[in-house]
Amino acid sequence: EAGVAQSPRYKIIEKRQSVAFWCNPISGHATLYWYQQILGQGPKLLIQFQNNGVVDDSQLPKDRFSAERLKGVDSTLKIQPAKLEDSAVYLCASTPGGYNEQFFGPGTRLTVL
Amino acid sequence: LAKTTQPISMDSYEGQEVNITCSHNNIATNDYITWYQQFPSQGPRFIIQGYKTKVTNEVASLFIPADRKSSTLSLPRVSLSDTAVYYCLVGYTGGGNKLTFGTGTQLKVEL
Repeated sequence: EAGVAQSPRYKIIEKRQSVAFWCNPISGHATLYWYQQILGQGPKLLIQFQNNGVVDDSQLPKDRFSAERLKGVDSTLKIQPAKLEDSAVYLCASTPGGYNEQFFGPGTRLTVL
Repeated sequence: LAKTTQPISMDSYEGQEVNITCSHNNIATNDYITWYQQFPSQGPRFIIQGYKTKVTNEVASLFIPADRKSSTLSLPRVSLSDTAVYYCLVGYTGGGNKLTFGTGTQLKVEL
């Protein structure tokens, strides 16, 4: 069974530039999550999708971050414009739903200069 | 919003049993307790999940007291490959509630 795929793995940008991350969850998984993990900290949930609807985006900085999950499968997370404090690893995870374990992708390491 | 607290680091030797405790005083009725392992440059990986009492699988045991305000992950006979960061996650993935990862415990296993 293929795992959660993310791209790119690494990205370096200047502050005020835009960036987008892509996630392909495990086939059949209805729930998709985006987390931000700053170095030395635990992952922080940014947004949770159930199919193509948003369940929780209360911790998403909506003035600069946006996310979508078209057709309830792939998802993209965008930052526009980026700030220095956005430097982190962005993790995507998926689950079939309910109380199941989350399957995480390898993450995208973003460096904002 | 369940906030969790874990020791920052722990050291052990190969073959020993390691117990990592997570404190979650504000756990809600619907919340489950899940532990993840994370190696550098990788996403977290599921270890074990429980709601109350004791859960055991092929790699670990999870002990949850009756008041559910803490939990203990037990790793029997650790090896060098168990050196990683261990996170306690409290939440309900059914939708709407924030999932809160702890600060993580860096476990270092030596020969």
